[in-house]
Amino acid sequence: EPEVTQTPSHQVTQMGQEVILRCVPISNHLYFYWYRQILGQKVEFLVSFYNNEISEKSEIFDDQFSVERPDGSNFTLKIRSTKLEDSAMYFCASKKDNSGNTIYFGEGSWLTVV
Amino acid sequence: DAKTTQPPSMDCAEGRAANLPCNHSTISGNEYVYWYRQIHSQGPQYIIHGLKNNETNEMASLIITEDRKSSTLILPHATLRDTAVYYCIANYGGATNKLIFGTGTLLAVQP
Repeated sequence: EPEVTQTPSHQVTQMGQEVILRCVPISNHLYFYWYRQILGQKVEFLVSFYNNEISEKSEIFDDQFSVERPDGSNFTLKIRSTKLEDSAMYFCASKKDNSGNTIYFGEGSWLTVV
Repeated sequence: DAKTTQPPSMDCAEGRAANLPCNHSTISGNEYVYWYRQIHSQGPQYIIHGLKNNETNEMASLIITEDRKSSTLILPHATLRDTAVYYCIANYGGATNKLIFGTGTLLAVQP
């Protein structure tokens, strides 16, 4: 069964460093998402992306965050200058089209900022 | 998206049916009911969704009341591996379709 894959599974970074989290969505999907989950808290929406542009973003997704689809397969989340409070599990997700299809999630990238 | 209300936790004996309730009294006519689960900080896993009719797939059944104000997810023969947080989400689907997760129900399957 096709799945969303994410790398790295775990990354430790120093505060102030840039981090790029990578995702390979399901191949024929057109809508892409990033969510995050701080330890012990809810899964929170960050951003959705379609047709090479952001379609919606949450308050969490400030200027420190950016997303990109650099080629036909990867979808990346960049955090420009990490803060301690960015420590969380980051989930990538994708959806086939706009007809109400299901969103499928990857297994997550655990980011620890020290 | 309509607000959903779920009990914070439930227990179920292994091999028995797990019935997880969800209230969505403000759901609108074109909002779907989606169920996802999250096993121990893994990525949320899609289970099932429905609009008006009851639905069944290889994982579970979804029973939606006629007035659509509540629904029940049924895992027919719960196993230990079904221990997870289960999320009921009301969502329009369509282009925007961003899922908003609540706190869900922690289902503990007991041996």
